[in-house]
Amino acid sequence: GAGVSQTPSNKVTEKGKYVELRCDPISGHTALYWYRQSLGQGPEFLIYFQGTGAADDSGLPNDRFFAVRPEGSVSTLKIQRTERGDSAVYLCASSLETGECYTFGSGTRLTVV
Amino acid sequence: GENVEQHPSTLSVQEGDSAVIKCTYSDSASNYFPWYKQELGKGPQLIIDIRSNVGEKKDQRIAVTLNKTAKHFSLHITETQPEDSAVYFCAASIRHSSGGSYIPTFGRGTSLIVHP
Repeated sequence: GAGVSQTPSNKVTEKGKYVELRCDPISGHTALYWYRQSLGQGPEFLIYFQGTGAADDSGLPNDRFFAVRPEGSVSTLKIQRTERGDSAVYLCASSLETGECYTFGSGTRLTVV
Repeated sequence: GENVEQHPSTLSVQEGDSAVIKCTYSDSASNYFPWYKQELGKGPQLIIDIRSNVGEKKDQRIAVTLNKTAKHFSLHITETQPEDSAVYFCAASIRHSSGGSYIPTFGRGTSLIVHP
């Protein structure tokens, strides 16, 4: 596609529920990144995929967060037992070159009530 | 302390004036420094980047300078226009974990307001 697509654009969920956030990167981009952005802050790194494998997941805050990219294209970020502190905009980016020239999606705004 | 520090947090200028945003970073091995512009409700958009083998790069009204010795880099916008109003983020590639990849780490952002 023309850009990075993220769905849904907005998600409201109840505390304790499970959510999945989807990212469809630019076709041909092998590197895919998830970031989390809280209000008034810069994007915070969560996890990076090179192809199908998670090359660096050191940014995931705890074991409630998990991400997959089974076919090296679309990625899903999964959050179990959501907490109010998980509320943020979750951004996905993809690139041809590892660590450079990211293109970001518009993000998914997650609100945990 | 933070890996990437950005100043100022807000910047208000008159149309036509110049705007300068400054960042410092901690990892001397960092070699890639992108700048992003984020408008309300949208994802960050890459506007310019610089690699460590270059001291300055310019693209029309936007320029970035890098001082590797001092570990700081700056964004310069000349002849500002109201449509330049947005939040600007600097980033520096930093290794997030031992043996891990170099991943851009972002500053906290600068809210630029250009008054017509």
